[in-house]
Amino acid sequence: DIQMTQSPSLLSASVGDRVTINCKASQNINKYLNWYQQKLGEAPKLLIYNTNNLQTGIPSRFSGSGSGTDYTLTISSLQPEDFGTYFCFQHNSWPLTFGSGTKLEIK
Amino acid sequence: QVQLQQSGAELVKPGSSVKISCKASGYTFTSYDMHWIKQQPGNGLEWIGWIYPGNGNTKYNQKFNGKATLTADKSSSTAYMQLSSLTSEDSAVYFCALGAGIAYWGQGTLVTVSS
Repeated sequence: DIQMTQSPSLLSASVGDRVTINCKASQNINKYLNWYQQKLGEAPKLLIYNTNNLQTGIPSRFSGSGSGTDYTLTISSLQPEDFGTYFCFQHNSWPLTFGSGTKLEIK
Repeated sequence: QVQLQQSGAELVKPGSSVKISCKASGYTFTSYDMHWIKQQPGNGLEWIGWIYPGNGNTKYNQKFNGKATLTADKSSSTAYMQLSSLTSEDSAVYFCALGAGIAYWGQGTLVTVSS
């Protein structure tokens, strides 16, 4: 199974900050990497698909990058509504696997 | 628009089975993969498996072989997941989610296993 190591697990930042979340796969996942945001009691919401493609309706302050085994989600200017838990997800190889999550708190 | 409407919360006894439904609308049900995902508090997300409703093909995470059975009813555009021989470890929220890239999710179904 491909292991997805996500960091940091907890992140506290202020409105307006630039925030980055990292995900490292245990092997090459060929850019088949998605990012999701989840708020308490809700289903995850797709932000970025296949490394760097912004899902329809998602603000442009969210962006993704990476290749091979290393991937990054960036929020260019943090907004109050961006709190929640962020997960990476690889859909290159079975079984599909998720990162363990990054809880983003707004200072 | 795409909607995935899951069945309600279940309280079930250890050793029993439960069947969760996911009714799809807003797209051609038989043309896209349907995935099932488990989420336990504090334990993140686990992919259980996948069904292609067009032909009934399935793929399971080996960890859930024998635990989960995925089916789909084309006539009602509904996907199902049956969980068997339930233990406390199966208490979780279960999501259905659509497409190869898992773009759309149901609202989740809470399953609580307790005597």
